[in-house]
Amino acid sequence: NAGVMQNPRHLVRRRGQEARLRCSPMKGHSHVYWYRQLPEEGLKFMVYLQKENIIDESGMPKERFSAEFPKEGPSILRIQQVVRGDSAAYFCASSPGQGLGYTFGSGTRLTVV
Amino acid sequence: QQQVKQSPQSLIVQKGGISIINCAYENTAFDYFPWYQQFPGKGPALLIAIRPDVSEKKEGRFTISFNKSAKQFSLHIMDSQPGDSATYFCAATALNTGTASKLTFGTGTRLQVTL
Repeated sequence: NAGVMQNPRHLVRRRGQEARLRCSPMKGHSHVYWYRQLPEEGLKFMVYLQKENIIDESGMPKERFSAEFPKEGPSILRIQQVVRGDSAAYFCASSPGQGLGYTFGSGTRLTVV
Repeated sequence: QQQVKQSPQSLIVQKGGISIINCAYENTAFDYFPWYQQFPGKGPALLIAIRPDVSEKKEGRFTISFNKSAKQFSLHIMDSQPGDSATYFCAATALNTGTASKLTFGTGTRLQVTL
């Protein structure tokens, strides 16, 4: 069981470019969560998805950020027109049921230059 | 009301000593309190968790103490080892409500265990 796979591990984007972060949940897990961690801070919830559905996006910024979890393939967190303040570690987690047994991936560290 | 306050921000403990990290919450709907351990460059890993129907839970060298009336819970690491050096996060969620999807994290405690 490979665990939660995130790629890329590191991503550098220039201001104004788009960032696409991918997350493949653990086998058998159909619940995916995205969190953002700013330097020296705890993780902040962004969005919770099940296959083809966004269940809770209360932590997502209103603009430039979107997430999807298609029927086939990984979950994608997309950040359009990145700004320096988007620089952070983005973690994906998956679980077999709502809220329980979270397993986190190793994260994608986004740097906006 | 959704905050979880964690202290201390950093902690240095000698090998063999007891490490204690404290958290306090405000939302009385929270009913699941996990602790996560994070090593540099890695994602958080679930260490131990407690529900409010018990006041203490122990797993090996790790113990959670829970005080429902004070809305506080703490992590105790007994016989601390250099390999325990990591950042520890407390978290909380309300499993029995519609917000069970999201964990509210504390700001983290960087633990260093010295020889």
